Amino acid sequence: DAGVIQSPRHEVTEMGQEVTLRCKPISGHDYLFWYRQTMMRGLELLIYFNNNVPIDDSGMPEDRFSAKMPNASFSTLKIQPSEPRDSAVYFCASTLGGGTEAFFGQGTRLTVV
Amino acid sequence: KQEVTQIPAALSVPEGENLVLNCSFTDSAIYNLQWFRQDPGKGLTSLLLIQSSQREQTSGRLNASLDKSSGRSTLYIAASQPGDSATYLCAVIGNTNAGKSTFGDGTTLTVKP
Repeated sequence: DAGVIQSPRHEVTEMGQEVTLRCKPISGHDYLFWYRQTMMRGLELLIYFNNNVPIDDSGMPEDRFSAKMPNASFSTLKIQPSEPRDSAVYFCASTLGGGTEAFFGQGTRLTVV
Repeated sequence: KQEVTQIPAALSVPEGENLVLNCSFTDSAIYNLQWFRQDPGKGLTSLLLIQSSQREQTSGRLNASLDKSSGRSTLYIAASQPGDSATYLCAVIGNTNAGKSTFGDGTTLTVKP
């Protein structure tokens, strides 16, 4: 398996624009996680899904953030409208079962100017 | 609320030295603990996962221990090499939420040739 795949790797956008980040988990994994990493706050869990259903979105910072998982092999994280403080590296991870070894994608570095 | 602390924040050692990285957590009711490595600009790579019923796990030159009662885990790296230079993060999953990991801020290790 190619591992967790995220796209794009880098995204630069202007404030107010919509941003969509994409993730393909490892085939067969039933949990998918979205994290945000910044120097100030470290690695934060935003939301996670189990069998395509959102389980805990308490880490989503604002209503501007939304995440979907339409099928077992694809998830999106959308920010609309984007703001400079959203600049961070966004990671997707997947696991087979809850509380098992997590596998991370390479991340999307988002810069909002 | 679970809090995870990693000390020191940075560590520099000469090549060949054995070293220990520390991770402490406030709530001992954990499901498992996982150690990751992160290279600059990259995603997280899983190193070792310790289930709550285990005391230690070994992989090559790495050994991770877990003492739930004291809320501590250590990652021991034997015979360090320049290629071990990276940031090492620990993550804890609690018993009550199978998917939710809490990460420490990491220890940045530099191994000098």
